[in-house]
Amino acid sequence: AQSVTQLDSHVSVSEGTPVLLRCNYSSSYSPSLFWYVQHPNKGLQLLLKYTSAATLVKGINGFEAEFKKSETSFHLTKPSAHMSDAAEYFCVVRGGGFKTIFGAGTRLFVKA
Amino acid sequence: KAGVTQTPRYLIKTRGQQVTLSCSPISGHRSVSWYQQTPGQGLQFLFEYFSETQRNKGNFPGRFSGRQFSNSRSEMNVSTLELGDSALYLCASSLVGGGTGELFFGEGSRLTVL
Repeated sequence: AQSVTQLDSHVSVSEGTPVLLRCNYSSSYSPSLFWYVQHPNKGLQLLLKYTSAATLVKGINGFEAEFKKSETSFHLTKPSAHMSDAAEYFCVVRGGGFKTIFGAGTRLFVKA
Repeated sequence: KAGVTQTPRYLIKTRGQQVTLSCSPISGHRSVSWYQQTPGQGLQFLFEYFSETQRNKGNFPGRFSGRQFSNSRSEMNVSTLELGDSALYLCASSLVGGGTGELFFGEGSRLTVL
């Protein structure tokens, strides 16, 4: 069985400071892991994906994530937040069996 | 390359009616999946189609159904609408099925049930 836990429902940072959005997963086989971002009234946009290649994955807009199998984590980071980063972020697990599991989402607030 | 197109974008129905939503995937993509997004339940997987066959289904009642056509376009249908069906319905396409490829999402169809 697969599951995804996003450890924070809300994260608030100041513009220019680092961002950390945490995600733990559970999977009985090697999953593919993704981070998506959703701006209000929009669909989801892919930020980055892990598919068993490099454990440090770089995505768009300066985001990156590190896959840590020992900790079953796939945390999303960005060195310096921008106002336009304010949105909801979803950690997603996909694996065999044509099933997709979403985390509950983390809403990121960026203060000026 | 055109993205995933969902129609209609907004619709209002009353309890007991039925609704059909349409999704056109990115050209060449053979897998289409559907998701329901609500403030209370978040994003939940409805079903995924690949090569016109439903490959997996989430935990939704039989009122929720779907199909995929030979050109990979997909429709989902909700019959006997309930107030709780009010949600943003998102469609995503993927080049391949099986769960490892990245999903490309449409902007969604927002359904309001009165």
